[in-house]
Amino acid sequence: KAGVTQTPRYLIKTRGQQVTLSCSPISGHRSVSWYQQTPGQGLQFLFEYFSETQRNKGNFPGRFSGRQFSNSRSEMNVSTLELGDSALYLCASSLRQSYGYTFGSGTRLTVV
Amino acid sequence: DAKTTQPNSMESNEEEPVHLPCNHSTISGTDYIHWYRQLPSQGPEYVIHGLTSNVNNRMASLAIAEDRKSSTLILHRATLRDAAVYYCIPSNQFYFGTGTSLTVIP
Repeated sequence: KAGVTQTPRYLIKTRGQQVTLSCSPISGHRSVSWYQQTPGQGLQFLFEYFSETQRNKGNFPGRFSGRQFSNSRSEMNVSTLELGDSALYLCASSLRQSYGYTFGSGTRLTVV
Repeated sequence: DAKTTQPNSMESNEEEPVHLPCNHSTISGTDYIHWYRQLPSQGPEYVIHGLTSNVNNRMASLAIAEDRKSSTLILHRATLRDAAVYYCIPSNQFYFGTGTSLTVIP
């Protein structure tokens, strides 16, 4: 079966711009989580969506937002990009938390 | 939130067993403990998970302490492809720790 698909794989944006990243979960998975990974901070939890509702949120500023559609696909948006937003953004989906998560390969965002 | 503690790094010789420890002393009674590993420039991948008893799969074994406050991931024969960062995380948590960076020495 298809895994978690994230698009685009690579992205270069300029400071002040906004960006939208997409995640298609494994078919049947209704929970989607987003993570930011930087060399200095490791894996940082952004938010988790389940059935179009944000259930959990990490400690990130309001510039980071997300949404989930009725088909469980999810997008995250970062507005007013800063150099420090350069990171690998990972999406993970799950059928049920006790079963664990399947991660996508990530979107590498570079802000210049 | 339950927190996990893992050594920052470990080394192993190729083809020798590796025991990667994780302390999760605040885990709740219904949480599974999951292990993931992450290769460079890739997303984490699932390795194994368990609740109370020891678990085995083709990748590894998981030994869970009787009081469930700690667990150990066992790679029976380390290969160069096992060099990665290994994370343990309770199932109802979203916060990964820093993980253990495993170096396999040829």
